[in-house]
Amino acid sequence: AQSVTQPDIHITVSEGASLELRCNYSYGATPYLFWYVQSPGQGLQLLLKYFSGDTLVQGIKGFEAEFKRSQSSFNLRKPSVHWSDAAEYFCAVGATGRRALTFGSGTRLQVQP
Amino acid sequence: DTGVSQDPRHKITKRGQNVTFRCDPISEHNRLYWYRQTLGQGPEFLTYFQNEAQLEKSRLLSDRFSAERPKGSFSTLEIQRTEQGDSAMYLCASSLGTGEFQAQYFGPGTRLTVL
Repeated sequence: AQSVTQPDIHITVSEGASLELRCNYSYGATPYLFWYVQSPGQGLQLLLKYFSGDTLVQGIKGFEAEFKRSQSSFNLRKPSVHWSDAAEYFCAVGATGRRALTFGSGTRLQVQP
Repeated sequence: DTGVSQDPRHKITKRGQNVTFRCDPISEHNRLYWYRQTLGQGPEFLTYFQNEAQLEKSRLLSDRFSAERPKGSFSTLEIQRTEQGDSAMYLCASSLGTGEFQAQYFGPGTRLTVL
């Protein structure tokens, strides 16, 4: 069965600084990979997805993520963080033959002025 | 495209009562999913519909839980004899496609509190 690890429970960055959120997955074949963002009390918004092809994918709100098969990672990056980016971020993996997404436990991002 | 909607947004109930939640997917999305999210955790899959057929259920979906999607449009999730451990955010998502994986789009969720 597939699994997702987000090693950082909580990250604090200064506004304008760069950001990298880590995601490691466990799955035997090529996974379907996603990043979602959740604001307090809200549902999840899709930031970006990777299915195949170019391993660097661009998403909404200036986010990008890079798929590294050798490291089983799909880290999320943003060059300059805005105060409105403060939220919880979830990495998720989908597997061939199933429809369910498996989520990590999330990383809470705090942005300092 | 008005997005996935869920009703109610909040529900407080007493232990032992039955509750029902509704999800309206993005129009023309043929796939619908239910997830449960507890505090500090990522969402956990409960069940999946393709059109009106329930094709996959998680072990988390005990016999007190039942989900329907009678006409392949909206879906309901019912919890019978609620327990305090059922307190969580219940999220609905939908996607469009007949082939392999498609991105899932989530609604705002229904927060259930069982007293």
